[in-house]
Amino acid sequence: DAGITQSPRHKVTETGTPVTLRCHQTENHRYMYWYRQDPGHGLRLIHYSYGVKDTDKGEVSDGYSVSRSKTEDFLLTLESATSSQTSVYFCAISGRADYNEQFFGPGTRLTVL
Amino acid sequence: GQQLNQSPQSMFIQEGEDVSMNCTSSSIFNTWLWYKQDPGEGPVLLIALYKAGELTSNGRLTAQFGITRKDSFLNISASIPSDVGIYFCAGQLNGNQFYFGTGTSLTVIP
Repeated sequence: DAGITQSPRHKVTETGTPVTLRCHQTENHRYMYWYRQDPGHGLRLIHYSYGVKDTDKGEVSDGYSVSRSKTEDFLLTLESATSSQTSVYFCAISGRADYNEQFFGPGTRLTVL
Repeated sequence: GQQLNQSPQSMFIQEGEDVSMNCTSSSIFNTWLWYKQDPGEGPVLLIALYKAGELTSNGRLTAQFGITRKDSFLNISASIPSDVGIYFCAGQLNGNQFYFGTGTSLTVIP
């Protein structure tokens, strides 16, 4: 298994509070991604990173920001959480040599009350 | 965003039966990936395909990269109870962006 951890694994918060989710990898993969998974929508890309300090938006980026100050860490921040951001969030990595494989972390279940 | 058409949406089969599922796209992909997701966990990569027409096996699983590059198939032979889960396909179009199918939920009846 790819060495990807996510923290926290579960979080309950209130509307309007800031939330930061962390993804940590030990595989030295270049690319890192944040997805959300919701019933009926499958996996949707929020933001991704193609290197330290290099990030770009995905299809559902509104209300989210990211930062990557080190190769191994990719942070997802909800500046002011809303109930529509209740979801399961997955981090993923890719970019090992010539192989276009993507590996997922265990997920963070976020509930915004 | 682009979404892949995956079918069937769900399957209920008897233990020991073979399973087939597929994924289609309106776009050509360079890579096809198949994942399995158990409840409360992240998707786990099962098989990766890199070339049109490629047929790759992983134990009882076999996947094929369609020759048109717009589809892929996953077969599971002699299903067992631990095959239960949701199976996702994913395609890589360019760069390092991936697009996902909506999933096939598999239930295996002992």
